[in-house]
Amino acid sequence: EVHLVESGGGLVQPGGTLRLSCAASGFTFSNYAMSWVRQAPGEGLEWVSAISGSGDSTYYASSVRGRCTVSRDNSKNTLYVQMNSLRVDDTAVYYCAKGLYSGIQGGWFDPWGQGTLVTVSS
Amino acid sequence: SYVLTQPPSVSVAPGQTARITCGGDKIGSKSVHWYQQRPGQAPVLVVSDDSDRPSGIPERFSGSNSGNTATLTISRVEAGDEADYYCQVWDSRIDRPYVFGAGTKVTVL
Repeated sequence: EVHLVESGGGLVQPGGTLRLSCAASGFTFSNYAMSWVRQAPGEGLEWVSAISGSGDSTYYASSVRGRCTVSRDNSKNTLYVQMNSLRVDDTAVYYCAKGLYSGIQGGWFDPWGQGTLVTVSS
Repeated sequence: SYVLTQPPSVSVAPGQTARITCGGDKIGSKSVHWYQQRPGQAPVLVVSDDSDRPSGIPERFSGSNSGNTATLTISRVEAGDEADYYCQVWDSRIDRPYVFGAGTKVTVL
């Protein structure tokens, strides 16, 4: 069974840095692109970032580009995202999700992890 | 960037049919995927590629897509179907290639 477990969320001050992790199991991790999707409290889903299965291609939403770095360690079956210069409006539950293809070329997200809450507040 | 428009809410009585729309420019030329999110839970894929149901999703969930509107249909609605539903497409524009609708809250009366 495919399983995704996020960790690393918490309370951080504005301007701070946070690194989230997503441990994957149940599939050949390096064969699939992975994404981060976030959901602010009471709001909808916002795609944040994607990385190809090999790790050589990355995409970012304009809202986080320049502040966010997605990476993966295929030897550890783990996805990461580091977010710098955090703002209050980055407060959200962050989900990792498995893509359909090895490349970033469309498709859907299935499954999703349970999410980790990031709160940016002073 | 590409915009998907969903109604904020849909109300339906148990046993009836709920239809949730997702509007977008020439959306019929794109593949549309639908997710169900129950309160406090992660999203779950319920329809992919306009009308395909993943394993484990009841046949009561179906989808269609044509012109400028995609539709998720839930037949014989049950109390457990009460959730938020999001449509999603891939748009090749680099600034936001994965696009979600704002979501529709389905309330079972």
